[in-house]
Amino acid sequence: NAGVTQTPKFRVLKTGQSMTLLCAQDMNHEYMYWYRQDPGMGLRLIHYSVGEGTTAKGEVPDGYNVSRLKKQNFLLGLESAAPSQTSVYFCASSDVLTSGSVPLYNEQFFGPGTRLTVL
Amino acid sequence: LAKTTQPISMDSYEGQEVNITCSHNNIATNDYITWYQQFPSQGPRFIIQGYKTKVTNEVASLFIPADRKSSTLSLPRVSLSDTAVYYCLVGSPMDSSYKLIFGSGTRLLVRP
Repeated sequence: NAGVTQTPKFRVLKTGQSMTLLCAQDMNHEYMYWYRQDPGMGLRLIHYSVGEGTTAKGEVPDGYNVSRLKKQNFLLGLESAAPSQTSVYFCASSDVLTSGSVPLYNEQFFGPGTRLTVL
Repeated sequence: LAKTTQPISMDSYEGQEVNITCSHNNIATNDYITWYQQFPSQGPRFIIQGYKTKVTNEVASLFIPADRKSSTLSLPRVSLSDTAVYYCLVGSPMDSSYKLIFGSGTRLLVRP
């Protein structure tokens, strides 16, 4: 099993350009997430998905869009890149853990990251 | 919204026990506490997760007091390879507005 993979590993964009980051997982996980990590800081949740065809906003969603057309893939799009979006982007996936009828989260498995520079 | 506070950095020596404390005063009833480890240029890796009291696995222990307003990750007998950033994470149920908050992380340096 490859776990969580991310494409591409590195990318340099010019301001205003668009791009899509691809995340794929082969663990049949329901939940997938996109985070960004700025130098010396923790991870911040951009968007997440609780299942195929569903997405939701996280802590810092502005400037990003996502799609979950297939269970194993979670795409992060930048329509018009800005220098403030220079960061390392991590994708993660997790299983569904429930306590009775209350959904909880479980261990997240992270990809290797995509280093994006916007000039 | 359960925000977390951790020490920015810690130093230790090989073979010592390291305890990293995380404060989460506003933790909600259904929140779990999870710790992740991150090496440079890699994604975080799960270490341990707990809800209350004590949890132990093959690499660490997690101590959570009764009020759950803090937690302590304990790493027994650290080695040089334990040098990394450790994140305390408090997670809320994902049935409505999902909030998954990473702390700022504690940079642990293990010296020979």
